[in-house]
Amino acid sequence: KAGVTQTPRYLIKTRGQQVTLSCSPISGHRSVSWYQQTPGQGLQFLFEYFSETQRNKGNFPGRFSGRQFSNSRSEMNVSTLELGDSALYLCASSQQGYNSPLHFGNGTRLTVT
Amino acid sequence: AQKITQTQPGMFVQEKEAVTLDCTYDTSDQSYGLFWYKQPSSGEMIFLIYQGSYDEQNATEGRYSLNFQKARKSANLVISASQLGDSAMYFCAMRGGGSSNTGKLIFGQGTTLQVKP
Repeated sequence: KAGVTQTPRYLIKTRGQQVTLSCSPISGHRSVSWYQQTPGQGLQFLFEYFSETQRNKGNFPGRFSGRQFSNSRSEMNVSTLELGDSALYLCASSQQGYNSPLHFGNGTRLTVT
Repeated sequence: AQKITQTQPGMFVQEKEAVTLDCTYDTSDQSYGLFWYKQPSSGEMIFLIYQGSYDEQNATEGRYSLNFQKARKSANLVISASQLGDSAMYFCAMRGGGSSNTGKLIFGQGTTLQVKP
């Protein structure tokens, strides 16, 4: 099985712009989650989608949004970028089940200048 | 609120020796799961091992084992026979109660492990 695929791997954007990141989960996984990783804050949960519905949301401003399509692929959007949005954005998918681990993609490294 | 604490920012271990990475957690949930992930410098997060709160036996996966002490709320990762490829950042994470929390993990700050030849 192919793993979780995130595109693009690297992005450089300017303050005020918006950006869309893409994630293709492992086949059969219906839960897709997004995480932000920074040196200062560590790994923080952004949101989770399951069957095209947002199921959980972390403590991030409304500039961060996402969606999931019927094929479970997910996109994350950040509008009005700020310097502090520079981070590694990780997408993860999992099967339903309490003991199911999250399987992560290689991440998208976003730099905001 | 749930919290994961990893008190060792960095550790060194000699190749072929065993090493223990500490993790303590705080939760009011009766049912929860604990995970360990490895993150090499390339950035991908690799799942290592899982322990459920109701599991009576400590989890093991190859060279990885989890020393689960529920009363102390600790879930330490033990890596036996360290290899140079084990050099990476290691994260302890917890999933809290409720089947709707599948995708939401709370992570610790991580421990950087360096294996010396």
